Amino acid sequence: DIQMTQSPSTLSASVGDRVTITCRTSQSISNWLAWYQQKPGKAPKLLIYKTSSLQSGVPSRFSGSGSGTEFTLTISSLQPDDFATYYCHQYKSYSEGFTFGPGTKINVK
Amino acid sequence: QLQLQESGPGMVKPSETLSLTCVVSGASIGSSGSFWGWIRQPPGKRLEWIGSIYYDGSAYYNPSLRSRLTISIDKSKNQFSLNLTSVTAADTAVYYCAKRPPGYGMDVWGQGTTVTVS
Repeated sequence: DIQMTQSPSTLSASVGDRVTITCRTSQSISNWLAWYQQKPGKAPKLLIYKTSSLQSGVPSRFSGSGSGTEFTLTISSLQPDDFATYYCHQYKSYSEGFTFGPGTKINVK
Repeated sequence: QLQLQESGPGMVKPSETLSLTCVVSGASIGSSGSFWGWIRQPPGKRLEWIGSIYYDGSAYYNPSLRSRLTISIDKSKNQFSLNLTSVTAADTAVYYCAKRPPGYGMDVWGQGTTVTVS
């Protein structure tokens, strides 16, 4: 199966900061990568799909990039509502199975 | 507006079968062209994809769970279900159902249901 890592695992930041999270996969997944935001006790929320496509209704301060095995999620100017845990998710093929990264928690600096 | 709602027992005994249902409202499960999936999250851990089913009944399973897992779809009731046999404490988690259009991420999620194996 395809293994996933994220860095950092925890990030301390302030409102207005530019934040970048990195996700790496153990083999190439082309551009089949999504990013989710999850808050405590809530279901994940889709932010980005197909590496860089912004889900409808998601603020433009969120952006994604990358290809192959290395991907990034960037928040251009962190807002109070953005303090949460972020997961990357590869969905290359059902035959190999889908997997999620371990998560990156953004907390208040 | 499309909504998903999970239902099932909050507690299951070890070695028994966990059965969950996801009721879809606001769209027809049989005509949306989407995949319908189950994802779980053990306490304090990452999300884990369990499996998915297409509207035509084609099912896809996490290889680590395949031997214990069945996912089915009931278009007449607009719902899909999960059966996981021989559960252990390791199956304790919040279980989510979600919709995924082909090529997209999981764009609509249920609120989640907590299942404890004890």
